[in-house]
Amino acid sequence: KQEVTQIPAALSVPEGENLVLNCSFTDSAIYNLQWFRQDPGKGLTSLLLIQSSQREQTSGRLNASLDKSSGRSTLYIAASQPGDSATYLCAVNPALGSGSNSGYALNFGKGTSLLVTP
Amino acid sequence: DTAVSQTPKYLVTQMGNDKSIKCEQNLGHDTMYWYKQDSKKFLKIMFSYNNKELIINETVPNRFSPKSPDKAHLNLHINSLELGDSAVYFCASSQDLTGGDYGYTFGSGTRLTVV
Repeated sequence: KQEVTQIPAALSVPEGENLVLNCSFTDSAIYNLQWFRQDPGKGLTSLLLIQSSQREQTSGRLNASLDKSSGRSTLYIAASQPGDSATYLCAVNPALGSGSNSGYALNFGKGTSLLVTP
Repeated sequence: DTAVSQTPKYLVTQMGNDKSIKCEQNLGHDTMYWYKQDSKKFLKIMFSYNNKELIINETVPNRFSPKSPDKAHLNLHINSLELGDSAVYFCASSQDLTGGDYGYTFGSGTRLTVV
């Protein structure tokens, strides 16, 4: 079964720093990988979607990369702001025939809790 | 113009009761899901439906029964509620089983508390 790991579990940085969140997954047979943000007590907001054929996606100060062969993705946040404080979740969508009985559904990591201090 | 909407947002009920959570999406997606987020904030798939057909049924007690009257709606009925069912339940949808061009869209969640 696809296992998704996120490192670090928690991160605290001063405002203005650039930072990298890491995600690794055990089975490289994926359709895509999606990064989400979750604020306390709220739902999930999609940040970036990377299809298996893509290497990276960018949106504003966010850049996500995907190295499918090594089972890794990184989310880069430039010039962090206090408003970026949230939990960031990485999720992979296993591909057909991957053997996972949770195929056709996102498998989530446990998240990185980010605090950006003023 | 909410894309994926769930009702109710909060649900407090006693052990042994039966309750339902409703989900609707107006994105024209074919696939819908129920996820459970436990007290440690880990999100786990429960069910998925594609065009009203059940695709995934994870190891979930039989007390949980999803129903999809049409591809825009996926409801979750829970019988004989137990304390351990307390969690946040998220509905989600995607264009198709692969996630499509835009990935998954999630609802805002239903916080279920069983007392």
